[in-house]
Amino acid sequence: DTEVTQTPKHLVMGMTNKKSLKCEQHMGHRAMYWYKQKAKKPPELMFVYSYEKLSINESVPSRFSPECPNSSLLNLHLHALQPEDSALYLCASRDIRDSAEEQYFGPGTRLTVT
Amino acid sequence: QQQVKQSPQSLIVQKGGISIINCAYENTAFDYFPWYQQFPGKGPALLIAIRPDVSEKKEGRFTISFNKSAKQFSLHIMDSQPGDSATYFCAASGYSTLTFGKGTMLLVSP
Repeated sequence: DTEVTQTPKHLVMGMTNKKSLKCEQHMGHRAMYWYKQKAKKPPELMFVYSYEKLSINESVPSRFSPECPNSSLLNLHLHALQPEDSALYLCASRDIRDSAEEQYFGPGTRLTVT
Repeated sequence: QQQVKQSPQSLIVQKGGISIINCAYENTAFDYFPWYQQFPGKGPALLIAIRPDVSEKKEGRFTISFNKSAKQFSLHIMDSQPGDSATYFCAASGYSTLTFGKGTMLLVSP
């Protein structure tokens, strides 16, 4: 089973709202990723967590706040977003215990900022 | 600086034909090269991957060819089907993060 789940599937929020995206995997993977994908573009890396610790932040604005409460769960807290932040937000996981390289993506959350 | 160059940007192939997508990389530290398939509104799905110690890998109708000296790799889809119509991304990894190509939109006509 290589399933990564993400909720919600769709989210519409105003620029003053606070919302959260959730990602979950039960494969025992200890690396989890957040990506942002605009239409007709490749995924752009935002954050990487390894063993529940933030290891990479790709200079993402502070209005995006990641959290990894445990080894199965990854959240992305959103606050004061801009319309240009509208995109597909993807979560991925990787099994780093044996140095595997494969990243498995979830279905994404389609975010619209109004 | 784009480290993985992918071509063509779009491709139309007739049903039963061969689809070929090419990628070139610059960073010799890359040691893992996956291909992802993405349908509209869905997340990318890992299709097939190769390491540079192998020149070719085949899984069903999908084949990766790898040329280490030229720093190029390609995806071949044999007997292309309308259900293969999707966007394909090549990628390269060397330090646990993926560098993606810009993607190829494949349309397989019936």
